[in-house]
Amino acid sequence: DAKTTQPTSMDCAEGRAANLPCNHSTISGNEYVYWYRQIHSQGPQYIIHGLKNNETNEMASLIITEDRKSSTLILPHATLRDTAVYYCIVRVLQDAGKSTFGDGTTLTVKP
Amino acid sequence: GAVVSQHPSWVICKSGTSVKIECRSLDFQATTMFWYRQFPKQSLMLMATSNEGSKATYEQGVEKDKFLINHASLTLSTLTVTSAHPEDSSFYICSARGQNTEAFFGQGTRLTVV
Repeated sequence: DAKTTQPTSMDCAEGRAANLPCNHSTISGNEYVYWYRQIHSQGPQYIIHGLKNNETNEMASLIITEDRKSSTLILPHATLRDTAVYYCIVRVLQDAGKSTFGDGTTLTVKP
Repeated sequence: GAVVSQHPSWVICKSGTSVKIECRSLDFQATTMFWYRQFPKQSLMLMATSNEGSKATYEQGVEKDKFLINHASLTLSTLTVTSAHPEDSSFYICSARGQNTEAFFGQGTRLTVV
């Protein structure tokens, strides 16, 4: 798996958009960008993944730069329940489930 | 998303005893299951990968005789921590993947060995 770099922590005001960056400059052509989050004392929750096009689902949007060396996860209207550790992982599709988790970004949504 | 359930959610056991943790895929057939361990304030570390009907593959440094993994059916995998000691106290998490599907995580099991 390609290594990823994320900020250790971020704060966001409730109701505002949370933009979480991730650098993955050594990503290979067949590796996808995945985002998970882990709320305290729970298992990780899948959020979104993409290869090179921007993706959107009911939880978030994923913006991947054209050179694929970085990406941003966007939570459009953060709530207090979005406070969690967010993990950015790059891996090939066939390795779904077998992930190398880094330290992630601790997002704190404040009232 | 698909549902993966772990049981129990938490367990306290005496040092030297064995503990079994179950991981079930409730609405899909899990051809592959993964077991992770997470110590306080640390990230998840993959322990082993198991495919239904075959022996698990353990990551380097994980003792296969201490952490017994069974994946006897397409909906159930078990992790047995044998002769548990306080240093085995951790948060154990499974994830399950079906054929050509994304993997989903269980809610985790907090093991405390006293």
